[in-house]
Amino acid sequence: DAGVIQSPRHEVTEMGQEVTLRCKPISGHNSLFWYRQTMMRGLELLIYFNNNVPIDDSGMPEDRFSAKMPNASFSTLKIQPSEPRDSAVYFCASSLVFGTQYFGPGTRLTVL
Amino acid sequence: SQQGEEDPQALSIQEGENATMNCSYKTSINNLQWYRQNSGRGLVHLILIRSNEREKHSGRLRVTLDTSKKSSSLLITASRAADTASYFCATEDNYGQNFVFGPGTRLSVLP
Repeated sequence: DAGVIQSPRHEVTEMGQEVTLRCKPISGHNSLFWYRQTMMRGLELLIYFNNNVPIDDSGMPEDRFSAKMPNASFSTLKIQPSEPRDSAVYFCASSLVFGTQYFGPGTRLTVL
Repeated sequence: SQQGEEDPQALSIQEGENATMNCSYKTSINNLQWYRQNSGRGLVHLILIRSNEREKHSGRLRVTLDTSKKSSSLLITASRAADTASYFCATEDNYGQNFVFGPGTRLSVLP
């Protein structure tokens, strides 16, 4: 199994630009999580889906952030417009319900 | 507020020594999990302990859970330089939700 796949691995963009992060969960997993990790705030849960349905998006910092999961094998996290304070590593993870989370390698986002 | 809080924030030991990290949480849980993160990498699951379990072993890892004190500990025995990483605890509530990570413990194992 290839594990959780995230793309891109690195993204450098300018303030105001739209950023789209992508995630392919492990086949058969029915929960998907998006996290953000910074030195200051640690690892924060942004949103998670169960069977493609958003269950809890209380961690999404602002309306500039949106996430979708159109099918069981793909999810996106979009930031529009991006700001320098959005610079972080964004992780996607998947799991079976009540199970271990398997993390992707992360996307390192730098907003200039 | 964060559910899991690891203690200490940083720990430095010599190779061969044991390393103990603690985690405290606030509300009832279904399970507690420990993860490891090497610098620049994603988190890797180490061990899961359910709320009705008190102790679990996996190789050089030993995890305990005290639900009355709402705390857990992770013991790494005979540490190696390769164990250098950040270690996180995460709790999951009884509804399979509120999966919350603590700030982590940075472990440095010196050769």
